[in-house]
Amino acid sequence: KAGVTQTPRYLIKTRGQQVTLSCSPISGHRSVSWYQQTPGQGLQFLFEYFSETQRNKGNFPGRFSGRQFSNSRSEMNVSTLELGDSALYLCASSLDGVGTARAYGYTFGSGTRLTVV
Amino acid sequence: GDSVTQMEGPVTLSEEAFLTINCTYTATGYPSLFWYVQYPGEGLQLLLKATKADDKGSNKGFEATYRKETTSFHLEKGSVQVSDSAVYFCALSDSGGNNRLAFGKGNQVVVIP
Repeated sequence: KAGVTQTPRYLIKTRGQQVTLSCSPISGHRSVSWYQQTPGQGLQFLFEYFSETQRNKGNFPGRFSGRQFSNSRSEMNVSTLELGDSALYLCASSLDGVGTARAYGYTFGSGTRLTVV
Repeated sequence: GDSVTQMEGPVTLSEEAFLTINCTYTATGYPSLFWYVQYPGEGLQLLLKATKADDKGSNKGFEATYRKETTSFHLEKGSVQVSDSAVYFCALSDSGGNNRLAFGKGNQVVVIP
């Protein structure tokens, strides 16, 4: 079956702009999470969505937001981009149910590489 | 809060050598533990997992045992290949039902022919 699909793969944006990244989970997966990966901070949890509701949120400013649609596809948005937002943004999906990731782990997409100039 | 610590620095070794990457964790309760691998330009792939103490996860010749007494989950492989060159991340998912992963900093592994 198809894996987790993230689009676009690469983005270059100017400081102050906003950006929207898209993630399509594995068919049947209802939980979608987002992570930011940078050389300095490593992998950091942004938020998790389940059944169109944000269920968990990491320690990121309000400029980072997301949403999930009824087909489980998810988008994340970053407004007023800063140079420090340059990173690889990874989306991960898992089966529904709280704690499912504990049993089965997450399946990650290939990521969107965002460069802010 | 929950955290994962991996040994510092890249790991460089020759083909067919023994690989070990240390991972220790801090968490309340009984977390699940994972090793993920990241190849250049790619996302993360689940390598193996363990969900309770003394469980041994294994895949593609890699193994790791969940040691609650030492809060560790060290990754080992008996004979590495050039194709094992990648970055390896240790991660945990807590027992509180939060569907989130806490990751270590990762270790770059370079296998020389």
